[in-house]
Amino acid sequence: EDKVVQSPLSLVVHEGDTVTLNCSYEVTNFRSLLWYKQEKKAPTFLFMLTSSGIEKKSGRLSSILDKKELFSILNITATQTGDSAIYLCAFNTNAGKSTFGDGTTLTVKP
Amino acid sequence: GAGVSQSPSNKVTEKGKDVELRCDPISGHTALYWYRQSLGQGLEFLIYFQGNSAPDKSGLPSDRFSAERTGGSVSTLTIQRTQQEDSAVYLCASSLGGAWYEQYFGPGTRLTVT
Repeated sequence: EDKVVQSPLSLVVHEGDTVTLNCSYEVTNFRSLLWYKQEKKAPTFLFMLTSSGIEKKSGRLSSILDKKELFSILNITATQTGDSAIYLCAFNTNAGKSTFGDGTTLTVKP
Repeated sequence: GAGVSQSPSNKVTEKGKDVELRCDPISGHTALYWYRQSLGQGLEFLIYFQGNSAPDKSGLPSDRFSAERTGGSVSTLTIQRTQQEDSAVYLCASSLGGAWYEQYFGPGTRLTVT
């Protein structure tokens, strides 16, 4: 059965800290891995990763994929209170179906 | 442009009643997804429509759940004979289709079964 496991489930840090969120997956028909940020209701897209070892970066956020070891990490540097959210990892199969992990709840304290 | 919209935003129903949840995807998006999210949980896949292909219904939890997509656009998720365990936020998403595109999510419908 395809699955995504995220860790840690929750994390509390202070502003300015750097955090690393983990996502491991098992899938028979992998095509791409995606990260989303969910603040209130609707998740919003952060990154799509398809190739191993190529870092994607957007401001203080970056992510990388390891297709051999079947995991991805999301890094956030110099965290701010506005980074507080649930971070969801998902993979797409070749057919376009998505499977999501349970998310990591990040709380950034002032 | 307009994003994904869902209605109603909140629905309270009595156990045993049927409910219909609506999703209007982004214009031009061929793929449409329904997910369910219980408190503190991730997104549980329910059903996936891609163009004119037969939908992937593999995530529907029981035969009380069904979904339609009319004209390749608007979708309705129907839950018959609702149970308390159906209480959750139901999220709809759309994308340009296939594995190479990210999904755009609607604001969700919070369903409460009393």
